Amino acid sequence: GENVEQHPSTLSVQEGDSAVIKCTYSDSASNYFPWYKQELGKGPQLIIDIRSNVGEKKDQRIAVTLNKTAKHFSLHITETQPEDSAVYFCAATIRVYNFNKFYFGSGTKLNVKP
Amino acid sequence: EAGVTQSPTHLIKTRGQQVTLRCSPISGHTSVYWYQQALGLGLQFLLWYDEGEERNRGNFPPRFSGRQFPNYSSELNVNALELEDSALYLCASNPGSNEKLFFGSGTQLSVL
Repeated sequence: GENVEQHPSTLSVQEGDSAVIKCTYSDSASNYFPWYKQELGKGPQLIIDIRSNVGEKKDQRIAVTLNKTAKHFSLHITETQPEDSAVYFCAATIRVYNFNKFYFGSGTKLNVKP
Repeated sequence: EAGVTQSPTHLIKTRGQQVTLRCSPISGHTSVYWYQQALGLGLQFLLWYDEGEERNRGNFPPRFSGRQFPNYSSELNVNALELEDSALYLCASNPGSNEKLFFGSGTQLSVL
């Protein structure tokens, strides 16, 4: 089955700096890659996603890149702010007929120091 | 549009007891996924329901079970609670027509 690895497990940056979180996947059938942000005491919230036919997607300060050949994708946060502090999860999704199988990374705890 | 709702938000039980957690998916979503998140750890897949059927289950013992109702809401049941069952239980829903997965805020279960 699919295996998603996420690095680093913790990341500490100064406010205003950039943060990059990387994930790799193993199954070339994965075709949808979402990123989730989980704040303390809350459920994960979808913040950005990318499909396998796209190499890069940007939404204001966050961007995701995908390298299908190398089977890795990354989340980039620019001009980090204290409110970006949270746990971030990547995921790889395999769509089989009308069903979706989701495989999550182990999470990255991002700390943005003011 | 209401998001995924879970109840209760917090629950305290003792070892050996049984618990039922509830989830209402986003209107129109037919798939419900349950995840366990122990403190500081990642999301462990528990169960997946679609159209009332259990489609897949994760590597958890049979005392973790559930069901999905005709209105697509779902219950997660845990029997013979153990201390290590203490965790945040997250429900997520998916419309089936695309890959977007939406999570509820979870039920925090403490087993004493």
